[in-house]
Amino acid sequence: DADVTQTPRNRITKTGKRIMLECSQTKGHDRMYWYRQDPGLGLRLIYYSFDVKDINKGEISDGYSVSRQAQAKFSLSLESAIPNQTALYFCATSVAGRGTDTQYFGPGTRLTVL
Amino acid sequence: KQEVTQIPAALSVPEGENLVLNCSFTDSAIYNLQWFRQDPGKGLTSLLLIQSSQREQTSGRLNASLDKSSGRSTLYIAASQPGDSATYLCAVREGGSEKLVFGKGTKLTVNP
Repeated sequence: DADVTQTPRNRITKTGKRIMLECSQTKGHDRMYWYRQDPGLGLRLIYYSFDVKDINKGEISDGYSVSRQAQAKFSLSLESAIPNQTALYFCATSVAGRGTDTQYFGPGTRLTVL
Repeated sequence: KQEVTQIPAALSVPEGENLVLNCSFTDSAIYNLQWFRQDPGKGLTSLLLIQSSQREQTSGRLNASLDKSSGRSTLYIAASQPGDSATYLCAVREGGSEKLVFGKGTKLTVNP
């Protein structure tokens, strides 16, 4: 089984709809991240969380919200989806204090907003 | 504002060739630099991480170097194979920040 899983893998929705993307991890990591990837723009950080009670905005948090329901679960919500939120969304995890600081990514969710 | 640039954007080589991918960054105050591989439908896989105090890291046929003062890193792939075909991303973590700043990637195709 994959260490970092994302659901759904693909989603098509309409403008104005509320959408939730979910991320779960079995790595036991304390840190979790949400990124979006757009052609020609690379990956950009939306939100990150150091633990259940510590959530921080990233580079492009407007229009998004997150919830860290447990150490292993981190959800990203689009309250009212708009077409320019069409992108590939990645969840990632890492562990602090180990020296390597490597981030481990999920397979991604392709979201299309019509 | 940190900017990460990867050159070339795409590269096509015959199998067996040694190749170098380039990454440059504008602010040398980084905590570390990572090279990732991205395969379609499979997300990103971390290949090598170089701390700011290190000069290089090696894993199998991959060698990554870091010259922090000049804002450059290279990923050297020896004896390339068709299975190496993927997009390679470079990312820097800025000092005092959790944020990774990514380049746009180099799409590598290794032809049999």
